[in-house]
Amino acid sequence: AQKITQTQPGMFVQEKEAVTLDCTYDTSDPSYGLFWYKQPSSGEMIFLIYQGSYDQQNATEGRYSLNFQKARKSANLVISASQLGDSAMYFCAMNNNQGGKLIFGQGTELSVKP
Amino acid sequence: IAGITQAPTSQILAAGRRMTLRCTQDMRHNAMYWYRQDLGLGLRLIHYSNTAGTTGKGEVPDGYSVSRANTDDFPLTLASAVPSQTSVYFCASSLDRNNEQFFGPGTRLTVL
Repeated sequence: AQKITQTQPGMFVQEKEAVTLDCTYDTSDPSYGLFWYKQPSSGEMIFLIYQGSYDQQNATEGRYSLNFQKARKSANLVISASQLGDSAMYFCAMNNNQGGKLIFGQGTELSVKP
Repeated sequence: IAGITQAPTSQILAAGRRMTLRCTQDMRHNAMYWYRQDLGLGLRLIHYSNTAGTTGKGEVPDGYSVSRANTDDFPLTLASAVPSQTSVYFCASSLDRNNEQFFGPGTRLTVL
């Protein structure tokens, strides 16, 4: 069975600093996708970044990058130059090649301090 | 319409009543999904549809039904609501089943 684990219920970071949000996963499928979503206090789910299991390079999207370590089964999200607007819940999720069904972690609440 | 819309935004419902949550997307995405979000449990998949005319069960399907008569609409029905179905419900869609999913704004449902 697939599983996503986010071990950090809450994180604090100083504005303009970088922060890493941890995510580990468990799957026996060779083909899978890893996703990160942001949920601000307003409640909407915002897609941030995607990494495929066969991708050779780590995914990057602006200030977001995904530190993909396949052997360790980790897919940590790195946010560079944190902004106050980055304060939100962050969810790691994965699917496999059997369908788009996403399995979510329990989330990490990030607070950016001015 | 731009993206995914859900209706209603919020609803208070008496136990035992029937309720349909509506979801419409205008992105011509093939796949659609329903999740529920509960404190401490994250988001869990209720039902999904990889293409119009097909549906499948997710992680927590009991007490819910869906239909996918066309590409754009994916309603979720609670035949006889129970208090444990109090949650925030998110509809999502993706171009196909392996692409990133885009979420609607959510419906906050309270069953008393």
